[in-house]
Amino acid sequence: GAGVSQSPSNKVTEKGKDVELRCDPISGHTALYWYRQSLGQGLEFLIYFQGNSAPDKSGLPSDRFSAERTGGSVSTLTIQRTQQEDSAVYLCASSVNPLTSGGVGSYEQYFGPGTRLTVT
Amino acid sequence: TQLLEQSPQFLSIQEGENLTVYCNSSSVFSSLQWYRQEPGEGPVLLVTVVTGGEVKKLKRLTFQFGDARKDSSLHITAAQPGDTGLYLCAGAKGNQFYFGTGTSLTVIP
Repeated sequence: GAGVSQSPSNKVTEKGKDVELRCDPISGHTALYWYRQSLGQGLEFLIYFQGNSAPDKSGLPSDRFSAERTGGSVSTLTIQRTQQEDSAVYLCASSVNPLTSGGVGSYEQYFGPGTRLTVT
Repeated sequence: TQLLEQSPQFLSIQEGENLTVYCNSSSVFSSLQWYRQEPGEGPVLLVTVVTGGEVKKLKRLTFQFGDARKDSSLHITAAQPGDTGLYLCAGAKGNQFYFGTGTSLTVIP
């Protein structure tokens, strides 16, 4: 079956421009996460969506970052007025609802290949 | 603040050697996962451990969750070049997953 897909795979933008990154989660997965990963480092949590609930935005680094999830499926991460320190790989992951499914499987995340963002 | 610290950060070993990667925290997690990530790809789940003291084996990989559910280890027996990659642990707490700092493993043929 189809996994998590992200687009574009690579994005080069000039400092100050806005960018949009897209994530298509696995069908049926109600939870969606965005992470940021700097070169060779661990993942930094950005935002979490679960169904129609208000998203957990506690990881967003500044008000230049925002995300939407339309119809409980596709999500878009928007970075306004990009800065060089925004350069990183942005990863999206989806999972079944961790609050209702119970069991080990409720905590498994499936990742997309990421979008490598370079701000020049 | 990093909730999960991994050690070592970098590891380079010869094919056939054994190794252990550690994932430590002062926080308690409801479950803990280990992922492997190769360049240009997203992390891929290897295992999830839920019960304190739990040990899971996946071929040459052995995963252990600490009794207090605060730490975990990954042991690889007879490492092979195909094991090369970035190993990440991730602890689940509430709705969030807290990822470790990562261990970059290189297995030299």
